[in-house]
Amino acid sequence: ETVLTQSPATLSLSPGERATLSCRASQSVSSYLAWYQQKPGQAPRLLIYDASNRATGIPARFSGSGSGTDFTLTISSLEPEDFAVYYCQQCMDWPPITFGQGTRLEIK
Amino acid sequence: QVQLVESGGGVVQPGRSLRLSCAASGFTVSTYGMHWVRQAPGKGLEWVAFISYDGTKKYYADSEKGRFTISRDNSKSTLYLQINSLRVEDTAVYYCARNYYGSGTYCDYWGQGTLVTVSS
Repeated sequence: ETVLTQSPATLSLSPGERATLSCRASQSVSSYLAWYQQKPGQAPRLLIYDASNRATGIPARFSGSGSGTDFTLTISSLEPEDFAVYYCQQCMDWPPITFGQGTRLEIK
Repeated sequence: QVQLVESGGGVVQPGRSLRLSCAASGFTVSTYGMHWVRQAPGKGLEWVAFISYDGTKKYYADSEKGRFTISRDNSKSTLYLQINSLRVEDTAVYYCARNYYGSGTYCDYWGQGTLVTVSS
């Protein structure tokens, strides 16, 4: 089973700043990686799939990069609504599909 | 618009069984695979199971094999998750999600979830 490790656990930034979130896989997942955003009391929302493709309706300030074992989600300029928990997910060798433990992006 | 509405959660004693349902609408349900994903209180996301569009392929997380059964009724546009021999650690919000195929497989639409609490 591929383990995904996200860092940092918590990221404290201000609106307008750039956010960089990391996801590292225990073995190569090629580009079979997604990012989700989850706000309190809500279901997750797909942001990025296949490492770098934005899902439908996702603003251009969200971008994904990486391949193999190291991936990054970048939010170019934080909006107030971007403060949430972010999860990465791999599907290279599924089943099982696995998720990272999450990064909490909080307002500084 | 795509809608997924889960139901069937509640408080249940350890060892009992429960069947969760997910009513889907706003898309051609019979052409999409579907997932169940759960989230224990204050914890991260855990993938539970997948069923193909026609129900012929079913995959489970290893920890759930044998106790969980995923199924679907395309005539009713409904997905199900049967959970037997419930354990305290099964306490979670259970989400159904529509499968999306990019090059990989992902979850593009999610329901709001149904809470299952296992407690004596």
